[in-house]
Order: sequence, then structure tokens, then C-alpha cells
Amino acid sequence: DAGITQSPRHKVTETGTPVTLRCHQTENHRYMYWYRQDPGHGLRLIHYSYGVKDTDKGEVSDGYSVSRSKTEDFLLTLESATSSQTSVYFCAISEREEETQYFGPGTRLLVL
Amino acid sequence: KNQVEQSPQSLIILEGKNCTLQCNYTVSPFSNLRWYKQDTGRGPVSLTIMTFSENTKSNGRYTATLDADTKQSSLHITASQLSDSASYICVVSEKTGANNLFFGTGTRLTVIP
Repeated sequence: DAGITQSPRHKVTETGTPVTLRCHQTENHRYMYWYRQDPGHGLRLIHYSYGVKDTDKGEVSDGYSVSRSKTEDFLLTLESATSSQTSVYFCAISEREEETQYFGPGTRLLVL
Repeated sequence: KNQVEQSPQSLIILEGKNCTLQCNYTVSPFSNLRWYKQDTGRGPVSLTIMTFSENTKSNGRYTATLDADTKQSSLHITASQLSDSASYICVVSEKTGANNLFFGTGTRLTVIP
């Protein structure tokens, strides 16, 4: 998985609790992305980062926030988890914006 | 509206047979098109990338074609193997300078012995 790890790999939580997912890369790529994947939908971009402390919203950013304090780490936070945020979350990286993205192994999140 | 549609949704073939997956898109302006393979429980892995001027790209037993005029792409898998069982995702990039990728919902391929 191209030097990308995600933690945790699985999580079960309750509605209303905060959740933070971590993406860590060892490739020193500038761009990092968070996607969610749901049945019947293609991967959908939540947020992305184009450098340390530089982030921007994606297609489905409502209810999510991100932070990137170091090149290698990109955190996704659900401030107050809802059942609609039950999904598989993928982190991806790329060296440049237009180049191929490399995906992590995913985090399966269940919100009860 | 920019969209990527893939067909069929699912496909079952015998080991050793060939198959072709389809991708139609309406993304404009077009930058490039990628095919990804996603094994169950794993993240997608890039197979091929094609720009506007390329109409064929191969990666081992995988051959992708692109017709930019009709906005269609196909992924042909030759002499299928059990390990080809996966979802295949078509991803089209918009040429806006922003990070705009449009993902298809994938074709689920099952190769049976």
C-alpha cells in the first residue's frame, strides 16, 4: 500500500461521540486525501491537503474536519459521529495534484 | 453534470477467459482517465492512466482503451486468473487545476475455476 498506513483499521462508536482517523505516509508526498466509500457510490472526496496546514474541502465535507501538522500525517475528525457516517474511509497520497493517487488500506467505521 | 458510469455492475467469468469492462464519462474538460483495481478489503491500486492523446495502454494482461471523441473507455482482461477477482474502478480527472476526480461505482469481477 505504497507506504501508507491508516489507524484504526476498524472502529465501532456511538452516535454523538467524536472520532479521529489517522493517515500516515512515509513517501513524503505533498498531497493527501480523505475519501469515503459507500455501496452504490463511487469514492467521494471529503477533504484534501496540499501541504502542511493547507487543506481544502471536497464533495462531502459536512460533518468532517481535518488537520495536517506534519507532512506525514493527515487526520480526519468526525466532531459528533452520526449513523450516516458509517462507511469505509480511505486515505490517499500523491506527489503532485495531477498524478496518480496511492491509497491506504482503509478504515471501516460503524456508528451505532 | 460530470459523471462516470461503468458497466456491467458485476460479471462472472471462467478462469482463462477474456472479458471487457466499460466506462462512459461526461467529464469535461477532460484531463486523464485511470483504471484502478480494488481487492476486497483493500484500497484501490492504479492499473493504467491515459491522457487525451493516448488510445491504448497495457499493463500485463490488462489493456485499457480510450476514445476521447465518444468519451468511452474499456478495460480488457486477457486469460483471466482467480486473482483478477476484484472491483475495477474507472476514474476521470477534470482539467480545471483544482483536485477534481470523478469515480465510477466500479465493476465487480468474479473469476471462477
